[in-house]
Amino acid sequence: DSGVTQTPKHLITATGQRVTLRCSPRSGDLSVYWYQQSLDQGLQFLIQYYNGEERAKGNILERFSAQQFPDLHSELNLSSLELGDSALYFCASSGEAGVRNEQFFGPGTRLTVL
Amino acid sequence: GENVEQHPSTLSVQEGDSAVIKCTYSDSASNYFPWYKQELGKRPQLIIDIRSNVGEKKDQRIAVTLNKTAKHFSLHITETQPEDSAVYFCAASNRGTGRRALTFGSGTRLQVQP
Repeated sequence: DSGVTQTPKHLITATGQRVTLRCSPRSGDLSVYWYQQSLDQGLQFLIQYYNGEERAKGNILERFSAQQFPDLHSELNLSSLELGDSALYFCASSGEAGVRNEQFFGPGTRLTVL
Repeated sequence: GENVEQHPSTLSVQEGDSAVIKCTYSDSASNYFPWYKQELGKRPQLIIDIRSNVGEKKDQRIAVTLNKTAKHFSLHITETQPEDSAVYFCAASNRGTGRRALTFGSGTRLQVQP
């Protein structure tokens, strides 16, 4: 167990819908990262938040957005869903003070868009 | 941005043999190189990492080497066991910036035959 939690574990929805994925980082970690893992694209970085503020953006679509709340949990919002959005979505957390910058991954949310 | 290439995409070895997975990166500013192991449907788990001021690091049967000049790094697993079978990902990031998002290689599926 990495200490990072994600809910829900599975999500099945229809095209055009909107969903919210939730992540709670390890205790004390200020950074949250979101990654998308699909069969043909591998693990792709979407977005990073640090202590409530957006720190970096990767290959995140405009239909997707995220935020980090004062208690440091984060939510990833996916809207106008398409079939191609079906993937495993992982969040990871890290502390900024550590030398090694380890990122610990949560168990993931498997999103299926029908 | 950073680009990480990983080879081979699949690797089959006999139990007890060694396995080597190689990665190259493009951004000379990258200075942190973790390796993750991912079992089917599970989260990526950090197995070893190396920073750019170190050329080699070993942890029991696992070792990682880094050649900064050539921008290569490799994972070596000795005395492989069936439980080593999984997908392995290399990654790179720049700890010097506040961003630190990981850029992943495309993964290597390792199969250890008993």
